Amino acid sequence: GQNIDQPTEMTATEGAIVQINCTYQTSGFNGLFWYQQHAGEAPTFLSYNVLDGLEEKGRFSSFLSRSKGYSYLLLKELQMKDSASYLCAVRDQEGGGNKLTFGTGTQLKVEL
Amino acid sequence: DTGVSQDPRHKITKRGQNVTFRCDPISEHNRLYWYRQTLGQGPEFLTYFQNEAQLEKSRLLSDRFSAERPKGSFSTLEIQRTEQGDSAMYLCASSLGVLRDNMNTEAFFGQGTRLTVV
Repeated sequence: GQNIDQPTEMTATEGAIVQINCTYQTSGFNGLFWYQQHAGEAPTFLSYNVLDGLEEKGRFSSFLSRSKGYSYLLLKELQMKDSASYLCAVRDQEGGGNKLTFGTGTQLKVEL
Repeated sequence: DTGVSQDPRHKITKRGQNVTFRCDPISEHNRLYWYRQTLGQGPEFLTYFQNEAQLEKSRLLSDRFSAERPKGSFSTLEIQRTEQGDSAMYLCASSLGVLRDNMNTEAFFGQGTRLTVV
């Protein structure tokens, strides 16, 4: 099974940069995903890492270190609309290699 | 294709009643997942299908829960003898199967069915 840990809440200022960390333990790592979820809405895909290093996509970047079981999501030039829950999810080899296990999510609040 | 759709969006039922939810995945996706989410928590895995085959079912899932995907397209999730603890958002997601190593096959989620058991 997996154990995924991420902070419960974070607060940041509009225009700033915020880093949301995620640590995980899994028996058969097969990729790490970040999803964004606004209140009352479905999770939407943000990023994917399976190899070590940084993946950049516009204002969002995600980093992975498989040896450390660690990932972070970096959000730049924060906007008020970025206030949401950010979910770290790990895919593992169990059951054919495509099941996602989610962390509890980090509730980000962006303030003026 | 408008994405993953779920029906109904909201369901209120009395304790002890049976409920059934439907999920229509993205048409070319062969994998379909059911998750449950409560307030302040991440989605909790329930079960998933590849085509019509149910490949895995969470050990946390009681025998009151059953899911089917009879033709490898839409899926239904049934909860029998509902309990107040079943109140949650039930999310369905679909994805392509993993075709080769390192391929990104992210799951796309539907809007969910919010179940309230009174």
